[in-house]
Amino acid sequence: NAGVTQTPKFQVLKTGQSMTLQCAQDMNHEYMSWYRQDPGMGLRLIHYSVGAGITDQGEVPNGYNVSRSTTEDFPLRLLSAAPSQTSVYFCASTRDLGWNTEAFFGQGTRLTVV
Amino acid sequence: GQQLNQSPQSMFIQEGEDVSMNCTSSSIFNTWLWYKQEPGEGPVLLIALYKAGELTSNGRLTAQFGITRKDSFLNISASIPSDVGIYFCAGRPRGAGNNRKLIWGLGTSLAVNP
Repeated sequence: NAGVTQTPKFQVLKTGQSMTLQCAQDMNHEYMSWYRQDPGMGLRLIHYSVGAGITDQGEVPNGYNVSRSTTEDFPLRLLSAAPSQTSVYFCASTRDLGWNTEAFFGQGTRLTVV
Repeated sequence: GQQLNQSPQSMFIQEGEDVSMNCTSSSIFNTWLWYKQEPGEGPVLLIALYKAGELTSNGRLTAQFGITRKDSFLNISASIPSDVGIYFCAGRPRGAGNNRKLIWGLGTSLAVNP
């Protein structure tokens, strides 16, 4: 049981480059989300999706795009990378137990923008 | 965005000691979750709490959902070196409806001296 799989694990980009961070889950969860983690700032929500075809902005969406064409996949796109986007990115998939929720995380992508 | 107040920010303890940390909010929560993050990994769910007053254990870990529904506590008994990591609380506010977004604390960093 793979759970939540993120690729790549590490990435270095030059300012202005674009790239896509991949996230896939095999738990048939409807709700998926992307967070970034920076020192002293905890986990901040970038974008989320409540199901295939439906996405919405989180707390820090600027500079990022998402799409959800299937239940399993939720890629995060950096349109034009900036040094401020240097961070660790986590994808999470949420088990929905009625009004209870439990989020399961991938191992993260460590991105450096130079 | 809204955040939970998590304390202490960091702890440095001797192996064998007990550890306590807590999370508080100004508003009522329906769900409290406790996660552990080890270096280079994503957060892993330790304990989920769904009911005011609920006390749940997972091995040496015990967490409680506060009676006021505005706080939660995590205790670790007889700490060992592998307890090292960052512990995060997260919660789902009352009235969230279909919103599955979690509110996060900034984490408690735990170091254990063997």
